[in-house]
Amino acid sequence: DAGVTQSPTHLIKTRGQQVTLRCSPISGHKSVSWYQQVLGQGPQFIFQYYEKEERGRGNFPDRFSARQFPNYSSELNVNALLLGDSALYLCASSVTPSNTGELFFGEGSRLTVL
Amino acid sequence: GENVEQHPSTLSVQEGDSAVIKCTYSDSASNYFPWYKQELGKRPQLIIDIRSNVGEKKDQRIAVTLNKTAKHFSLHITETQPEDSAVYFCAASHNDMRFGAGTRLTVKP
Repeated sequence: DAGVTQSPTHLIKTRGQQVTLRCSPISGHKSVSWYQQVLGQGPQFIFQYYEKEERGRGNFPDRFSARQFPNYSSELNVNALLLGDSALYLCASSVTPSNTGELFFGEGSRLTVL
Repeated sequence: GENVEQHPSTLSVQEGDSAVIKCTYSDSASNYFPWYKQELGKRPQLIIDIRSNVGEKKDQRIAVTLNKTAKHFSLHITETQPEDSAVYFCAASHNDMRFGAGTRLTVKP
């Protein structure tokens, strides 16, 4: 069974541009969470979606947005990119909406903003 | 929201020794406490977890303890091996999961 898949794996953008990252959860998982991991730090919570509805939002500016599709895949969108947005963006899926069970992470999308 | 602090940030031990990593959390409503291992360039993977109604859990060389009153929990690895070298993250979850900053464990042969 396929794990969580993310695309693209690597991308380079310039300041002010916009980026869309994509995630496909494990089959049967209806919850998708997005995390930002800056080098040397722990994953920082951005969003959680369950059954296409936003269930949680971390302390990130409105430049960050996300959505979940009927097939439970998800997109993370970041507008007006800043240098500080350079990070590994991790998507994680889970069975429960309450995040009190294992999160299964994808390999991540490494974003570099120049 | 939840705030998770993790110590130490780096830990170096000799093969065969024990390693202990400690975390504190702020939200008393948190009820699920997982530990993830992230090897270089890889995704985080769950190694053990504990729920708020349990004080201790073991899985072979790995154990986790939870003190709800003090709001802290710890990871214990015994008989460490070089393949245990990685970054370890604790997390606490109520409605969403928040992670600590990580501990880089190095096990020297």
